[in-house]
Amino acid sequence: GQNIDQPTEMTATEGAIVQINCTYQTSGFNGLFWYQQHAGEAPTFLSYNVLDGLEEKGRFSSFLSRSKGYSYLLLKELQMKDSASYLCAVREAAWGNYQLIWGAGTKLIIKP
Amino acid sequence: DAGVTQSPTHLIKTRGQQVTLRCSPKSGHDTVSWYQQALGQGPQFIFQYYEEEERQRGNFPDRFSGHQFPNYSSELNVNALLLGDSALYLCASSRVGGGAFHNEQYFGPGTRLTVT
Repeated sequence: GQNIDQPTEMTATEGAIVQINCTYQTSGFNGLFWYQQHAGEAPTFLSYNVLDGLEEKGRFSSFLSRSKGYSYLLLKELQMKDSASYLCAVREAAWGNYQLIWGAGTKLIIKP
Repeated sequence: DAGVTQSPTHLIKTRGQQVTLRCSPKSGHDTVSWYQQALGQGPQFIFQYYEEEERQRGNFPDRFSGHQFPNYSSELNVNALLLGDSALYLCASSRVGGGAFHNEQYFGPGTRLTVT
């Protein structure tokens, strides 16, 4: 079956670092996406991993281990505007399968 | 560069009615996916359109149907509305030519549907 797990909620302090984990079980794998979603708004693309390792993009980094079915999103130098939900999504590899399987999202609360 | 647009922003309907939601993809994109997102949940894939045809469908009943026009814009139709259809409906566009392995999806602002 398909399953993507993320913590429901996390709290961190402004200026600190936080790591949001995502584990997945899918019938195939063809890439993992991280999206940010502020309350009442549409998700916006943050990162994409298809090979093992770390992808760094400014204050945000994303890591993937395909053998472990595991990814994390690392946010550094946290700002109040980073308060949002962070969604992990996986694209399965089966030919003709174009949909993304989404986790429920992790609500990140930033405190001053 | 125009992003993904959706209309209407909000909609209130009564059980049993029908609704049509509209989406215009980002400039240069040719593929449109529709998602339903309940409060506190991740998006659930409804279906995807490419070249005016439904390319893939998620686990949604036939009450949910769609269409893609030659200009790549798309409509989502929901018949016989149920209370449980109340959700945020998101449209996402992407470009097949960008490579099937990294065609990230750009989302529109969504349509908030409330069924009473």
